[in-house]
Amino acid sequence: QQQVKQSPQSLIVQKGGISIINCAYENTAFDYFPWYQQFPGKGPALLIAIRPDVSEKKEGRFTISFNKSAKQFSLHIMDSQPGDSATYFCAASINDYKLSFGAGTTVTVRA
Amino acid sequence: GAGVSQSPSNKVTEKGKDVELRCDPISGHTALYWYRQSLGQGLEFLIYFQGNSAPDKSGLPSDRFSAERTGGSVSTLTIQRTQQEDSAVYLCASSRQDNSPLHFGNGTRLTVT
Repeated sequence: QQQVKQSPQSLIVQKGGISIINCAYENTAFDYFPWYQQFPGKGPALLIAIRPDVSEKKEGRFTISFNKSAKQFSLHIMDSQPGDSATYFCAASINDYKLSFGAGTTVTVRA
Repeated sequence: GAGVSQSPSNKVTEKGKDVELRCDPISGHTALYWYRQSLGQGLEFLIYFQGNSAPDKSGLPSDRFSAERTGGSVSTLTIQRTQQEDSAVYLCASSRQDNSPLHFGNGTRLTVT
């Protein structure tokens, strides 16, 4: 069964808007939570990652929010741009080993 | 090379045939993973190699699947007697060591007819 549940499956946002993708996990041993971005025909690329000792991490327009007690984490894309249109995967692992991936969210940013 | 290289990029094969998929990791990367990505699905772990340690084969879906890594570098994923449900994108990733980011190749799209 999938160890990381991701939602929504897809979303459409206007240019300049905020995209929010949510993930939930069950295994409390997970200690590394990355997000990957994938464009059509390409492999996933690491976007941003967080460890459970912090509740938020921001890199440019991308922010991860982490709620350890709820076993949830989310990706926020601020000021969404057409170039952000891609599929986003959350993932989780123990000691950075053998990532378990969510099912992915296809984000479409309308100009 | 600059990144993880996978070949072929596309492979169409008939049901029952064997296929070999190749991965050239980034030079110096000791960890190598194979993942499978089916349409609309996340990435499914298949197998992991780290240095000279025994590989973690826990994700291989059946005994038709096998992989090897020669000389700690190039890896080959072999699928014997392919079935239609094997159709997917097979992704290879490498990292410098554990606790460092994974770098993915662009994958091999396998279609079994």
